[in-house]
Amino acid sequence: AQSVTQLDSHVSVSEGTPVLLRCNYSSSYSPSLFWYVQHPNKGLQLLLKYTSAATLVKGINGFEAEFKKSETSFHLTKPSAHMSDAAEYFCVVRPGSNYKLTFGKGTLLTVNP
Amino acid sequence: NAGVTQTPKFRVLKTGQSMTLLCAQDMNHEYMYWYRQDPGMGLRLIHYSVGEGTTAKGEVPDGYNVSRLKKQNFLLGLESAAPSQTSVYFCASGTRRDTEAFFGQGTRLTVV
Repeated sequence: AQSVTQLDSHVSVSEGTPVLLRCNYSSSYSPSLFWYVQHPNKGLQLLLKYTSAATLVKGINGFEAEFKKSETSFHLTKPSAHMSDAAEYFCVVRPGSNYKLTFGKGTLLTVNP
Repeated sequence: NAGVTQTPKFRVLKTGQSMTLLCAQDMNHEYMYWYRQDPGMGLRLIHYSVGEGTTAKGEVPDGYNVSRLKKQNFLLGLESAAPSQTSVYFCASGTRRDTEAFFGQGTRLTVV
């Protein structure tokens, strides 16, 4: 079975400072990994995905994530936070063996002026 | 360019009433999913389908039924709504196992 742990339920940063949202996963098979963002009262938008190619993945809006198999981690980073980044972020795992996507519980990112 | 469309967007039900949520996708995707989102719980999988005429249980299937009579549609039914089913419901569709899922805008359901 697969699972996802987002290590922080809430992260608060100042505008212009780096963002780090942490995600650890477990999967019996080589997984695909995703980060989705959800702005208030909106649907889910894909930020980036890892599908067994390059371990450093670049996404939209300046976000990137690094797949580290030895640490079973897929942390999301951004060098400089913008006010518009304030949202909830979900780490998602999809094992190579099945069709189901398993979500973490989410990390709420607050960006202070 | 509709993508994944959910109907309705909002609904209030009384305990014991029934309803059906409709999800339609125009991307010819094989896989479709129903999730519910509750505060602090992330999204939890209710049911999913890997093709027309097939459905399977997810993580939290109790109290829900689904049907996929046509490839483009995935229906979620509540036979007797309970307050514990108050939630935001998201439908998603996808294709090959290494690609992302595409989500609808959600249905906010309140059961009173």
